[in-house]
Amino acid sequence: GIQVEQSPPDLILQEGANSTLRCNFSDSVNNLQWFHQNPWGQLINLFYIPSGTKQNGRLSATTVATERYSLLYISSSQTTDSGVYFCAHRDDKIIFGKGTRLHILP
Amino acid sequence: DVKVTQSSRYLVKRTGEKVFLECVQDMDHENMFWYRQDPGLGLRLIYFSYDVKMKEKGDIPEGYSVSREKKERFSLILESASTNQTSMYLCASSLVRGSPLHFGNGTRLTVT
Repeated sequence: GIQVEQSPPDLILQEGANSTLRCNFSDSVNNLQWFHQNPWGQLINLFYIPSGTKQNGRLSATTVATERYSLLYISSSQTTDSGVYFCAHRDDKIIFGKGTRLHILP
Repeated sequence: DVKVTQSSRYLVKRTGEKVFLECVQDMDHENMFWYRQDPGLGLRLIYFSYDVKMKEKGDIPEGYSVSREKKERFSLILESASTNQTSMYLCASSLVRGSPLHFGNGTRLTVT
């Protein structure tokens, strides 16, 4: 099956900084989602983005399916952005990456 | 907005007990999923269901069973809880195959 790899595994930034999280796939994908898991364990949908670019406030995501990657951009980070970010590929099952743990310092 | 509700946020059970984790979604979704999440292991799929009365094994079904008697409810059953089943359990649903996943808030289960 498709393998999903996320990088970096951990990221520590100062409040106000920008960040880019990456998700690589071992094969082309047609269903991709980004999630944020907050410190209380809740998994929140960020983007459903099989291809192209979407923006939602300070967050945006780009998926280049033919190149087998997706990027999540966070601009002007806030402490509430802390948590773990997952990308997931949806086929018959859903395959998650191991996540990027983001810690925003005040 | 889709709402996926898990019946308990925290649960403490004893070894050998039968444990039921309940999940309900309110958007007539066909697909429902149970995951467990453990440090360093990410999210692992236990069971999933594509329709009422249907169930499929995920990657780690051992020690678990599921029930989907009604479309909106997907129950995870630990027949005889063991300490290695201490984990965060997450339920998710999606409208159809390939559509976005929506997660519940999770149940943190501790088996002593």
